[in-house]
Amino acid sequence: DVKVTQSSRYLVKRTGEKVFLECVQDMDHENMFWYRQDPGLGLRLIYFSYDVKMKEKGDIPEGYSVSREKKERFSLILESASTNQTSMYLCASSFRVSGNTIYFGEGSWLTVV
Amino acid sequence: AQTVTQSQPEMSVQEAETVTLSCTYDTSESDYYLFWYKQPPSRQMILVIRQEAYKQQNATENRFSVNFQKAAKSFSLKISDSQLGDAAMYFCAYRSAKVASGGSNYKLTFGKGTLLTVNP
Repeated sequence: DVKVTQSSRYLVKRTGEKVFLECVQDMDHENMFWYRQDPGLGLRLIYFSYDVKMKEKGDIPEGYSVSREKKERFSLILESASTNQTSMYLCASSFRVSGNTIYFGEGSWLTVV
Repeated sequence: AQTVTQSQPEMSVQEAETVTLSCTYDTSESDYYLFWYKQPPSRQMILVIRQEAYKQQNATENRFSVNFQKAAKSFSLKISDSQLGDAAMYFCAYRSAKVASGGSNYKLTFGKGTLLTVNP
């Protein structure tokens, strides 16, 4: 089975802190994604990566950055957390072939106080 | 840019009955993929069913089937013999089939979701 693992399920951080959300996949997928999920807004793409060290902005990249130094790991970074970044963050991965299914992690609930 | 619309924020169904969730999308492309994902309270997003736009036959997975109307840009999900375990948030999603430089076409565009309640 494909496994996408997000290291933290629940985090509470203070405004202004630097926050790292880590994601690891075990299927040698080229593509990795970070989505944000908010009630009534569905899932919105923050960033994605189609290869090591390659990244592209999604629909809502402001306030976020990413890092992909190894193929299996994709990190989302909040340089200075703000309360409006309180949300559920979902990591996902897939093979590069365009029709391939995207697999999701269990999500990370981030609260910024 | 592609958009996906789910017009029903919430739906409910009696156990063992059939329910249909609606999804429409907007695209100028002719080749693409459509998906229904299920997100139960545990939060793990699970693929329910997928449809390739070039296929006329509607996809089916056990009790789940779709009604894909390409001209109308409609992609509804039918759940037959509903079970308590079907209660979840359901998301419709679109993915381009076009091969582009970089990775811009690999992403999924989601609708806002439909919360399905199954009543015993």
